[in-house]
Amino acid sequence: RKEVEQDPGPFNVPEGATVAFNCTYSNSASQSFFWYRQDCRKEPKLLMSVYSSGNEDGRFTAQLNRASQYISLLIRDSKLSDSATYLCVVNLGTNAGKSTFGDGTTLTVKP
Amino acid sequence: SAVISQKPSRDICQRGTSLTIQCQVDSQVTMMFWYRQQPGQSLTLIATANQGSEATYESGFVIDKFPISRPNLTFSTLTVSNMSPEDSSIYLCSVVGHPYGETQYFGPGTRLLVL
Repeated sequence: RKEVEQDPGPFNVPEGATVAFNCTYSNSASQSFFWYRQDCRKEPKLLMSVYSSGNEDGRFTAQLNRASQYISLLIRDSKLSDSATYLCVVNLGTNAGKSTFGDGTTLTVKP
Repeated sequence: SAVISQKPSRDICQRGTSLTIQCQVDSQVTMMFWYRQQPGQSLTLIATANQGSEATYESGFVIDKFPISRPNLTFSTLTVSNMSPEDSSIYLCSVVGHPYGETQYFGPGTRLLVL
């Protein structure tokens, strides 16, 4: 079993749609959680951190369920510019060093 | 946020040769890593670059194939030795920790094609 598993995708949605990505992690000692975005032929960039209380940044909402070891990302009112690969990332904690990356879920938003 | 540069940005190499990739960060940083991303796949950690000592390699990666240096807190190199077509990939430098906190930042990557 992979340490971090994501929906395999791809997701193809029309503009304006709401789309949700799911991610599970196997190491219960994990402390820090993130969603990264990777555009084609570019490096990954942080989209948002994920907190137990849930957090929202504009059209993006991230949730963490520690009991189920589950992370989600919700994108509302999808834009063409949201098309990218979304990576679920898990870390053992601040300054714990290396992160574990999921395989990514590719989203294509179509007009 | 961290400003990270990598050289070269891309290269085409012949099998059996070696390529050294450089990574430069704009501030002294606690931790530096080297990742590989093969076409259509996610990131695989090669090793943690340790300042002033030998790198810590992940399973499946060895020093003879991927020697790493980190002479100071802002710079690291990764060498891909005795290359084969299977080494064709994107190699990314990454940093995390002080002074950037828990956010992990990536360099722009080095695209390597081995013929």
